[in-house]
Amino acid sequence: KQEVTQIPAALSVPEGENLVLNCSFTDSAIYNLQWFRQDPGKGLTSLLLIQSSQREQTSGRLNASLDKSSGRSTLYIAASQPGDSATYLCAVRPGQAGTALIFGKGTTLSVSS
Amino acid sequence: GAVVSQHPSWVICKSGTSVKIECRSLDFQATTMFWYRQFPKQSLMLMATSNEGSKATYEQGVEKDKFLINHASLTLSTLTVTSAHPEDSSFYICSAVGIEKPYGYTFGSGTRLTVV
Repeated sequence: KQEVTQIPAALSVPEGENLVLNCSFTDSAIYNLQWFRQDPGKGLTSLLLIQSSQREQTSGRLNASLDKSSGRSTLYIAASQPGDSATYLCAVRPGQAGTALIFGKGTTLSVSS
Repeated sequence: GAVVSQHPSWVICKSGTSVKIECRSLDFQATTMFWYRQFPKQSLMLMATSNEGSKATYEQGVEKDKFLINHASLTLSTLTVTSAHPEDSSFYICSAVGIEKPYGYTFGSGTRLTVV
């Protein structure tokens, strides 16, 4: 059974710092991996999606990497800002088509000004 | 592209009544829709998977008679919480996926249900 773990559970940093969020999964047979952002009481916003054949994806100050063989992904946030404060969720899609995403419990990030 | 609209965004209902939540894919045909429930400061828990025109598949421990899911068209799925009780209060989020596309699954904005 696929399990997704995110470390750390919470993180507080001052504005301007670069930071790394970690995600690990137990079964390397994934179709893709997605990083989401969730603000309190809100839905999910997709940040980056990495196909199983890809190594990384970048969008602005965000960079996500995927090491499928070791079951790991990292989300790198450069020059953090207070507006980055949110919960970041990692989710994997199992290889089978039409199956639900499996989520980690998230990392709650707080960036202070 | 790939927008999912979920309504209502919040609802308050009395115990014993039923509440319907709608999830619509606006610019693509959703062959599969998923319904999740999220408790405060917890991750998303999959409740059920629905494919257009067929019965939903419920996860273990989810009461299918309480949480009725209908996926009558390729753009609409509904979740009805029947005979709601205070313990059903939660945040419900739908997700949709269409014909194979690289952008992955798209999520609705969620519905905050409060049962009083």
